Amino acid sequence: DAKTTQPPSMDCAEGRAANLPCNHSTISGNEYVYWYRQIHSQGPQYIIHGLKNNETNEMASLIITEDRKSSTLILPHATLRDTAVYYCIVRVQGADGLTFGKGTHLIIQP
Amino acid sequence: DAGVIQSPRHEVTEMGQEVTLRCKPISGHNSLFWYRQTMMRGLELLIYFNNNVPIDDSGMPEDRFSAKMPNASFSTLKIQPSEPRDSAVYFCASSLSGPSSYEQYFGPGTRLTVT
Repeated sequence: DAKTTQPPSMDCAEGRAANLPCNHSTISGNEYVYWYRQIHSQGPQYIIHGLKNNETNEMASLIITEDRKSSTLILPHATLRDTAVYYCIVRVQGADGLTFGKGTHLIIQP
Repeated sequence: DAGVIQSPRHEVTEMGQEVTLRCKPISGHNSLFWYRQTMMRGLELLIYFNNNVPIDDSGMPEDRFSAKMPNASFSTLKIQPSEPRDSAVYFCASSLSGPSSYEQYFGPGTRLTVT
């Protein structure tokens, strides 16, 4: 799996868009970008994934640069419940395990 | 669906004792994963099964750890004998396997404390 780099922590005001960056400059052509988050004392939760096109679902949007070396997870209207550690993971789609880095601790401020 | 079920939620045991953690995956899922989370090492994959068969156990720290999946609806992770450094939160996750598989569903975890 390609290595990812994320800022250790970020703050965002409640109601604003939270933009979480991830660098994955060694990503291979068949590797997807996945995002998971872990709210305190809970198991990780899948958010979204993509290959090269931008993706949107009910939780978030994923913007992948044209060269695929970086991406941004966007939470359009952050709430206090979005405070969590967000993990960016790059991997080939399939059934093997996930490799978690340190992630970004996102703190939503009231 | 109730999601991935893990038991017990909390376990406190003394060094040297045997510990068994249990997991019931989501019905219909054929891949099962065991992860461990500590402050020092973060989230690590220990082992995963596909169709009840262990596929990769390279993350199992040592012979004291063993995992089984006797059927599609149950898996155990056993530590014998337990040591204080095994204290961690252990997560079980399940998913569908195959090239279109993308989402793993995690259980609430078992917090293990070995004194």
